[in-house]
Amino acid sequence: EIVLTQSPTTMAASPGEKVTITCRASSSVSYMHWYQQKPGASPKPWIYDTSKLASGVPNRFSGSGSGTSYSLTISSMETEDTATYYCQQWSSNSLTFGSGTKLEIK
Amino acid sequence: QVTLKESGPGMLQPSKTLSLTCSFSGFSLSTSGMVVSWIRQPSGKSLEWLAAIDWDGDKYYNPSLKSRLTVSKDTSNTQVFLKITSVDIADTATYYCARRRPNYGSYYFDYWGQGVMVTVSS
Repeated sequence: EIVLTQSPTTMAASPGEKVTITCRASSSVSYMHWYQQKPGASPKPWIYDTSKLASGVPNRFSGSGSGTSYSLTISSMETEDTATYYCQQWSSNSLTFGSGTKLEIK
Repeated sequence: QVTLKESGPGMLQPSKTLSLTCSFSGFSLSTSGMVVSWIRQPSGKSLEWLAAIDWDGDKYYNPSLKSRLTVSKDTSNTQVFLKITSVDIADTATYYCARRRPNYGSYYFDYWGQGVMVTVSS
């Protein structure tokens, strides 16, 4: 099973600040996907295939990476971006999620 | 419009079998490329993929839980079921069903249900 480790676990950013969340895989994966989850709600697809934005996702979000290291970046933090973000991979008929990064506004 | 909705017992006792239902609309599980998964999330914790079933009836399980899980679908291909045997407190969680984006190279979930909370308690 591939373990996904996200960092940081929690962070706070000021409006307008650039934010980067990292997801490291224990073995190389072909793609990384990201979900946004707000309290009391289901996860929403946010970034898929490492760098493609899901429908409705603001273009201040971007994704990048390859192999064992992937990241989600917000170019300019906004209040509505407050949420927990999870990375996810599928490999060898097994699917795993990262531990999550809780992002708050300062 | 694709929607999924989970249902379950709400609460059950340790050692019992948990039965969950995912009812969906807007697609049929008989359509080539369709896959529905079960995922759970203990309160305040991360997501854990449990199992999946595809249009052909093939089943996939989380290796760490495989011995306790059974995923199935109904003949109308509008419901998916999950059974977890011998539950204990650690199985307390919100359980989601989600659809894999169909006929797409990589594997991610494009639609999720609202989730159903299950508490295991004596």
